[in-house]
Amino acid sequence: AQKITQTQPGMFVQEKEAVTLDCTYDTSDQSYGLFWYKQPSSGEMIFLIYQGSYDEQNATEGRYSLNFQKARKSANLVISASQLGDSAMYFCAMLQGAQKLVFGQGTRLTINP
Amino acid sequence: GAGVSQTPSNKVTEKGKYVELRCDPISGHTALYWYRQSLGQGPEFLIYFQGTGAADDSGLPNDRFFAVRPEGSVSTLKIQRTERGDSAVYLCASSLRQGALYEQYFGPGTRLTVT
Repeated sequence: AQKITQTQPGMFVQEKEAVTLDCTYDTSDQSYGLFWYKQPSSGEMIFLIYQGSYDEQNATEGRYSLNFQKARKSANLVISASQLGDSAMYFCAMLQGAQKLVFGQGTRLTINP
Repeated sequence: GAGVSQTPSNKVTEKGKYVELRCDPISGHTALYWYRQSLGQGPEFLIYFQGTGAADDSGLPNDRFFAVRPEGSVSTLKIQRTERGDSAVYLCASSLRQGALYEQYFGPGTRLTVT
């Protein structure tokens, strides 16, 4: 079974700094997909970025990039030039069986002005 | 266009009562998912529909939980004889089809409190 581990319960960062949120995963599948979601206090899960296991390049979406290290089974999210609106819970997830997402425990990110 | 909507946004019920939670997916999305998020945890998968049929209900915790999607659009999650441990946020998501290429869009959730 797949498992996602996020070891940082909380992170505090100054505005405009870059921040890395850690995610490690465990799977025996050769083909898999990794996702990051943002959950603000309103509760809605917002898709940020996706990385496929066979993708040769690290995924990037605007200020978000994914530092994918397949051999280490890590998929860390990097947010550049953080903004106050980035304060939220962040979840790493893996697609299991091509249909259901398995989520980690989450990291609460707080951006300080 | 409209996103995934869920009603009610909040539901308070007494232990032992029956509740129904509704999800309206994005129009045209064939895949629909229910997740449950307990306080301080990540969401946990409950059930997945492809069209009208439940393709995977392996996440339903017990037979008090049941979900339907009779016309392949709106889905209802039904919980019988509610228990205090059922208190959580119930999230619904939909995607155009199943698979990694198709992003799951989440609704705002229904916060269920069982007293």
